Amino acid sequence: DQQVKQNSPSLSVQEGRISILNCDYTNSMFDYFLWYKKYPAEGPTFLISISSIKDKNEDGRFTVFLNKSAKHLSLHIVPSQPGDSAVYFCAASPLIIGNDMRFGAGTRLTVKP
Amino acid sequence: GAVVSQHPSRVICKSGTSVKIECRSLDFQATTMFWYRQFPKQSLMLMATSNEGSKATYEQGVEKDKFLINHASLTLSTLTVTSAHPEDSSFYICSARGNSGTYNEQFFGPGTRLTVL
Repeated sequence: DQQVKQNSPSLSVQEGRISILNCDYTNSMFDYFLWYKKYPAEGPTFLISISSIKDKNEDGRFTVFLNKSAKHLSLHIVPSQPGDSAVYFCAASPLIIGNDMRFGAGTRLTVKP
Repeated sequence: GAVVSQHPSRVICKSGTSVKIECRSLDFQATTMFWYRQFPKQSLMLMATSNEGSKATYEQGVEKDKFLINHASLTLSTLTVTSAHPEDSSFYICSARGNSGTYNEQFFGPGTRLTVL
């Protein structure tokens, strides 16, 4: 039961341009959403999060947008840099705290110089 | 962020043998540890959650007798895959969380690639 879906397994973007990674979810109980970044041979690291009371959260070059009615969120990276090349996981949970965070399958972003 | 290590990073074993994977929080005390499994092109799937000194809570469909989890200290959890079979071949990732309990403070290990021949 895939409650969190990342339908694009890969994305390639030119350096300096915007990267947009998408994520859809099916569980209307999800209220807290996170993005993780994973480099090869390393574990996922927390990148940015958003709670359902907001529709946007910005942290430097990274912005997460949430559309609750569409059950869709996206991560925008602008400007994209070669060091951003990694696998990005979307995750969702009913609460900010708990043991039932669900992950998407990940999107591999490649930023070309 | 905090550091979580896993050992080994890669293991190849024969069918029927048992394999132990260690997960350590190196610079913080992990009151809760999680074990995930990821098959190719699929999501990270939560297998079990363990609190230090308590029995692990397994997700539906995960056999507790096959995947033995021990969280004996605040810095170490182990996952033992007993009588491993080729279908157990997967990428196993642990995660550790400190006292705050929030997902922002949940840190992941680098993962262990298990291949069962």
